[in-house]
Amino acid sequence: GESVGLHLPTLSVQEGDNSIINCAYSNSASDYFIWYKQESGKGPQFIIDIRSNMDKRQGQRVTVLLNKTVKHLSLQIAATQPGDSAVYFCAETSTGTASKLTFGTGTRLQVTL
Amino acid sequence: DGGITQSPKYLFRKEGQNVTLSCEQNLNHDAMYWYRQDPGQGLRLIYYSQIVNDFQKGDIAEGYSVSREKKESFPLTVTSAQKNPTAFYLCASSKWQGREKLFFGSGTQLSVL
Repeated sequence: GESVGLHLPTLSVQEGDNSIINCAYSNSASDYFIWYKQESGKGPQFIIDIRSNMDKRQGQRVTVLLNKTVKHLSLQIAATQPGDSAVYFCAETSTGTASKLTFGTGTRLQVTL
Repeated sequence: DGGITQSPKYLFRKEGQNVTLSCEQNLNHDAMYWYRQDPGQGLRLIYYSQIVNDFQKGDIAEGYSVSREKKESFPLTVTSAQKNPTAFYLCASSKWQGREKLFFGSGTQLSVL
């Protein structure tokens, strides 16, 4: 667990600023997408999901944007806090089955004070 | 509180030894999954189960075995045939095997002595 996340792309953001984490996917048939947050040594936590019939979905302090034309997904975190520091990764599926979720490798978010 | 419990948090395996990782859920979910997480890689599916007494191989099942005798429990055995077992192992569950988000346990870090 502690070694997960080595060599990942890192985004450094100052506390209070907005963060944008990106995810590209390759399967144009993908129609369900999920963002997870993983803190060091812990299991992933669900943040937000979106289906392909939407291009934007908002949660508490988070927004997911889906651009199917360029196969791109982004997670926006408003007013980033130190507790947001973690590895974030996206997952997608085209088959409607959770067993066929494809997970990205993740981006490490570092929040500086 | 409902959730997924994995144990132990850390596990060490000797050469030629089989070890079993425990996963218990009290979410009343039908589907359960085992993933392997290596540094810099996305989660990879080892095995999954949709109902009691039934399970299917995932993408990297070789060297692993599972059982699903109870709805709540889905233990994973890492056999001696798995030559590179060092990884972070994550158990997850979902209500059913459809477009449902996965809930993850806190993981088990397996290392080879």
